[in-house]
Amino acid sequence: GENVEQHPSTLSVQEGDSAVIKCTYSDSASNYFPWYKQELGKRPQLIIDIRSNVGEKKDQRIAVTLNKTAKHFSLHITETQPEDSAVYFCAAGGTGFQKLVFGTGTRLLVSP
Amino acid sequence: DVKVTQSSRYLVKRTGEKVFLECVQDMDHENMFWYRQDPGLGLRLIYFSYDVKMKEKGDIPEGYSVSREKKERFSLILESASTNQTSMYLCASSLSPPALGHGYTFGSGTRLTVV
Repeated sequence: GENVEQHPSTLSVQEGDSAVIKCTYSDSASNYFPWYKQELGKRPQLIIDIRSNVGEKKDQRIAVTLNKTAKHFSLHITETQPEDSAVYFCAAGGTGFQKLVFGTGTRLLVSP
Repeated sequence: DVKVTQSSRYLVKRTGEKVFLECVQDMDHENMFWYRQDPGLGLRLIYFSYDVKMKEKGDIPEGYSVSREKKERFSLILESASTNQTSMYLCASSLSPPALGHGYTFGSGTRLTVV
């Protein structure tokens, strides 16, 4: 089955810096790659997603890149703000019954 | 505008009890999922359902069962609660396949403590 690895587990940046979180997946048939943000005490919420027929997608300060050959995808956050502090999860899936396998999460801390 | 509702935010149960966690969605989604979330382990899939009365095991189904008698409701059952089932349980739903820009919608979670 699918296996997703996510790095780093913790990332600390200064406000205004960029942050990059990386994930690798194992199942070459996976075709859907979402990213979720979970603020403390709240539910995970989708922030951006991409399908395998697209190599990059951008939404304001957030972008996701996908390298199908290497089976890895990354989340890029530019001009970070304190409210970006949260745990971020990557996921991969879309095959079979479309179930997603999640990474172990990255705790992002943005200091003012 | 809560769309996936989990019946309890916090639960404390005794070892050996049978525990029911309820989840209801109002988006007419085909797929529903139960995950547990533990520090350092991310979200691990327990069971999922792609249609009424249909269910599939996820990665960690041992000690759990599920029920989906109606499209909008998906129940997680701990047959005999144990302390290692103390965790945050998250329910989610999605279209089949997940729609771009929508993905999974999660509930607020149930923090279960087994003593």
